[in-house]
Parts: sequence; C-alpha cells; structure tokens
Amino acid sequence: GAVVSQHPSWVICKSGTSVKIECRSLDFQATTMFWYRQFPKQSLMLMATSNEGSKATYEQGVEKDKFLINHASLTLSTLTVTSAHPEDSSFYICSASLNRRTRGNTIYFGEGSWLTVV
Amino acid sequence: AQTVTQSQPEMSVQEAETVTLSCTYDTSESDYYLFWYKQPPSRQMILVIRQEAYKQQNATENRFSVNFQKAAKSFSLKISDSQLGDAAMYFCAYRSARWGGSEKLVFGKGTKLTVNP
Repeated sequence: GAVVSQHPSWVICKSGTSVKIECRSLDFQATTMFWYRQFPKQSLMLMATSNEGSKATYEQGVEKDKFLINHASLTLSTLTVTSAHPEDSSFYICSASLNRRTRGNTIYFGEGSWLTVV
Repeated sequence: AQTVTQSQPEMSVQEAETVTLSCTYDTSESDYYLFWYKQPPSRQMILVIRQEAYKQQNATENRFSVNFQKAAKSFSLKISDSQLGDAAMYFCAYRSARWGGSEKLVFGKGTKLTVNP
C-alpha cells in the first residue's frame, strides 16, 4: 500500500521557537496533503488542506500565521509551528491523498509527530 | 456540510467473539466514499476497510466487514473472531466523490474498542 512518512516522530522545543514537521509520500505523488491535530482522547481535527504549488486552505479557527504549511512538491509538505507555546503541544498527523478518481480513492496517514513545547 | 456520528464512545468484546461498531452520516451527496480507520495506542492511523457509495455490495476484508445501508445513511463495522490486536480507537470517516467537492475526510468522534481475553 501507499506509504506516508512523517518526521520527526517526537520533538521538544522551547517556548518562542519554531519547529518544522515534514510529511513525505514515499511511493506516490500526492496531489493533496492534509494536516491534523489530535488532542488526547479526541478525534482528528483538520487544520488545513494543501495542494502542491498553491496556498494551503485553513479550517476555521486555525491561525494561518502560526501554523505555516508549505507544499513545495508532489511528495513533500511541511508544517511549521511558529513561536510555539505550551498550548501548541499536541499530536500532529499528516495525510496524503491519491487522486480520488484513480488509485484507491483513499487517504493514507503518516505516523504522526508528538510536539512538546517547554 | 457532511457529518459523521459514532454513538458508541466505548465498546468491549470477548476474544474470539463478534462486535459491531455503529456509524451514521449525513450528506446530501449521492457519490461518496466511507472508511473505517483503526488507531492503536501507537497513534498510527490504519485503514481497515472502505466502501464506495455506488456499490451495493458490502465491503469485506478478512475478519472485517461492513453493513452499508445507503438509504438509512448507516455504515457499521463488524469484527469477527476478535483478537487482542484489534483493541484500538476506531474512526468512521466520509469523503466526497463529487468532482470539485471537498477532498477532506470527515471523521466521527471514534469508538474505543477493548478486547477482553
């Protein structure tokens, strides 16, 4: 099956610094990538949708300037948490979409990244 | 907007028994996909099974099968011969197939499945 790799799996950063999380589709070209945040014992909350070469579409309530998303190629999207604060500590997970009308119509997920801001 | 509802926050089953997880959804679209994802303690989201709305036949994947009732907008997951490794959070999800429609997954709140030995 399709493989999506997310890095790093764990990251600890100091309050006020920025941290970048990468999401790569390893064996397919992802036309669309999605970034989610998951709070403990809750479902996945979609933060933004990114299409290669264009600006990300953010969900209502998500700060665009704080959570910078770049989708520079068909295999790589990055999420940068800028000026991180302890309340940004969470589990972040990306996913990548195959073309809906071709291969599998399925979204595949990365392994997720734990962010702790101290 | 589409919504997905999982009415069972928690379920438990004895090893080797069968359990059914419920999911209902609301949409005005006729063409869409439905998924069940499993999230074990590792937090990795694993696709369990998917269903295309235009297909009347219920999808099956080994011990996992669905009961897809399009008119009732119901999409339940049946796990047969439950194993300890099936213990996880299970999320039901909807995705539009409409050309030009949203590509995102809409998730339910999840059902935590416990498998008792």
